[in-house]
Amino acid sequence: EDQVTQSPEALRLQEGESSSLNCSYTVSGLRGLFWYRQDPGKGPEFLFTLYSAGEEKEKERLKATLTKKESFLHITAPKPEDSATYLCAVQAGIYNQGGKLIFGQGTELSVKP
Amino acid sequence: NAGVTQTPKFRILKIGQSMTLQCAQDMNHNYMYWYRQDPGMGLKLIYYSVGAGITDKGEVPNGYNVSRSTTEDFPLRLELAAPSQTSVYFCASRLGTVERNTIYFGEGSWLTVV
Repeated sequence: EDQVTQSPEALRLQEGESSSLNCSYTVSGLRGLFWYRQDPGKGPEFLFTLYSAGEEKEKERLKATLTKKESFLHITAPKPEDSATYLCAVQAGIYNQGGKLIFGQGTELSVKP
Repeated sequence: NAGVTQTPKFRILKIGQSMTLQCAQDMNHNYMYWYRQDPGMGLKLIYYSVGAGITDKGEVPNGYNVSRSTTEDFPLRLELAAPSQTSVYFCASRLGTVERNTIYFGEGSWLTVV
């Protein structure tokens, strides 16, 4: 069964304190791994797509990496405006008509000034 | 270009009532989805559509129905609302090509069944 697990469930950081969020997955033929940011009361906002092990993508203070079993979202010198819930999702490549995403439960990040 | 638009934003229903959540996208996307999100849980797929006239069930379809008469619109119908359907509902869409595979979400519809 395709599955996505994120850890930790919640993370509290001081401004400038770098850290990483983890997304481990089991999927039948990975077509893509997606990271989204979700602010309270809003819909998920797309951040990155990773397609193959070894791939990395960066955007401002965020860097996403991918291995065959997990993905990391590294946050360098975070600021309070980085506070949000970060969602990881995978798109299986086998028996996946419609390209559906399977989501993890999210990591709630809080950055204090 | 509005993206994915959902209405209403908030709604309170009584047990047994029915309603329709509206979703429209203006990006000419082929694929559309309905997810629900419960506290502390990931998004769960309710129904999806790969094009006008074609719909299929996701993980949690019971108590819901959908239709896709046009490329732009994908309404979600709740029949005989139950407290278990209290949730946040997100509509999403994607183009579906290899190069443009990202799924984009609407702002959500908060539904309470009392």
